[in-house]
Amino acid sequence: QSALTQPASVSGSPGQSITISCTGTSSDVGGYNYVSWYQQHPGKAPKLMIHDVSERPSGVSNRFSGSKSGNTASLTISKVQAEDEADYYCSSYTSISTWVFGGGTKLTVL
Amino acid sequence: QVQLQESGPGLVKPSETLSLTCTVSGGSISTYYWSWIRQPPGKGLEWIGYIYYSGSTNYNPSLKSRVTISVDTSKNQFSLKLSSLTAADTAIYYCARVPAYCTTTTCYYGMDVWGQGTTVTVSS
Repeated sequence: QSALTQPASVSGSPGQSITISCTGTSSDVGGYNYVSWYQQHPGKAPKLMIHDVSERPSGVSNRFSGSKSGNTASLTISKVQAEDEADYYCSSYTSISTWVFGGGTKLTVL
Repeated sequence: QVQLQESGPGLVKPSETLSLTCTVSGGSISTYYWSWIRQPPGKGLEWIGYIYYSGSTNYNPSLKSRVTISVDTSKNQFSLKLSSLTAADTAIYYCARVPAYCTTTTCYYGMDVWGQGTTVTVSS
């Protein structure tokens, strides 16, 4: 299975909105609504931010939202804040009942 | 709330087998799926495999020949064995919970609880 494709980096100024894309195939992202997004600060374990394409776990800010169109999922962070600076990973369930991650995107808050 | 804690050796020799354990506290292991994920230094996340509490497993095809995941419900633990180690297996190893079920309104297919991770170095 191949890793999902994410941009290596994105940036935004405080208060702006940013979007991170995650492209897969019809065997993973396109075939299931089981896409999740994780935030990882340096030296910390990943934290679930979005599950099942657009569902936010309890306690996650509503500034984080997810969507999907075809084989591409997206994470949008509105009103970006300094604390949002981190690495973000997407993940998808696959047709062979495995999971696959994206390569990760580094968000820089300018 | 449920917490996960990885344990195992920090240093292993090439060609040997790595054994790690994840202890689940604050809840029962006898439900949900349980996963192992790793992260090489400075790189991204790689899914290794999962086990259901009943014992059924599935593995990353690229690691399948070297990986075994098992569960001990009496100890509320699940374990990872990775054989024929090389320097490329040097990584932080995480365990995580995967609910993997749907209600009438919502599904829960994300890794919602993670351990803090344990660093494993493969070197002679």
